[in-house]
Amino acid sequence: EAQVTQNPRYLITVTGKKLTVTCSQNMNHEYMSWYRQDPGLGLRQIYYSMNVEVTDKGDVPEGYKVSRKEKRNFPLILESPSPNQTSLYFCASSPQGGGVYTFGSGTRLTVV
Amino acid sequence: AQKVTQAQTEISVVEKEDVTLDCVYETRDTTYYLFWYKQPPSGELVFLIRRNSFDEQNEISGRYSWNFQKSTSSFNFTITASQVVDSAVYFCALRSYGGSQGNLIFGKGTKLSVKP
Repeated sequence: EAQVTQNPRYLITVTGKKLTVTCSQNMNHEYMSWYRQDPGLGLRQIYYSMNVEVTDKGDVPEGYKVSRKEKRNFPLILESPSPNQTSLYFCASSPQGGGVYTFGSGTRLTVV
Repeated sequence: AQKVTQAQTEISVVEKEDVTLDCVYETRDTTYYLFWYKQPPSGELVFLIRRNSFDEQNEISGRYSWNFQKSTSSFNFTITASQVVDSAVYFCALRSYGGSQGNLIFGKGTKLSVKP
């Protein structure tokens, strides 16, 4: 089944403790992206990647890191999480050329 | 700069009513794509439709229809004879074909509540 898989689904962590949210797609898509969703603000893009080793900042990149060493994987790294990063995070992938983004099921992160 | 505006934050209707969700976009690109996604209470994001900037034909899929008008930069979504299962947050989104084509820009969403 074609899908985007992100883990974990739920995560509660403490301020400053480094964490990684994994994302993997099995559709051989060139583009991958991370979004955060907050009440009243909709979905905002954190980072995106056009292909292996090619990444770019979205609208809200501060406090996040990404890497794209393999085409299928695009982990999101929070080096020192803070409470304002408590949010619902989505990973997505798409083919190039305006293709449809397919989204993962989401990761609900709480930083205390 | 690119922007998507969904002016309606929340809409409440009674089952079987028709409802239109508005979407207005801004872009300087000549080639772009417009999307609608649905987010039901379970939280996942479900793709509904994609339209490219050269195709202004309206589209109908069952009870759903979309009206794309380049002259007014709008891409509105109508649900006919709404049902309780249509209750969700609906997002309109814009994606360029040019240099920033990785960037899918979302509106803030419209929460639709359909009451029995």
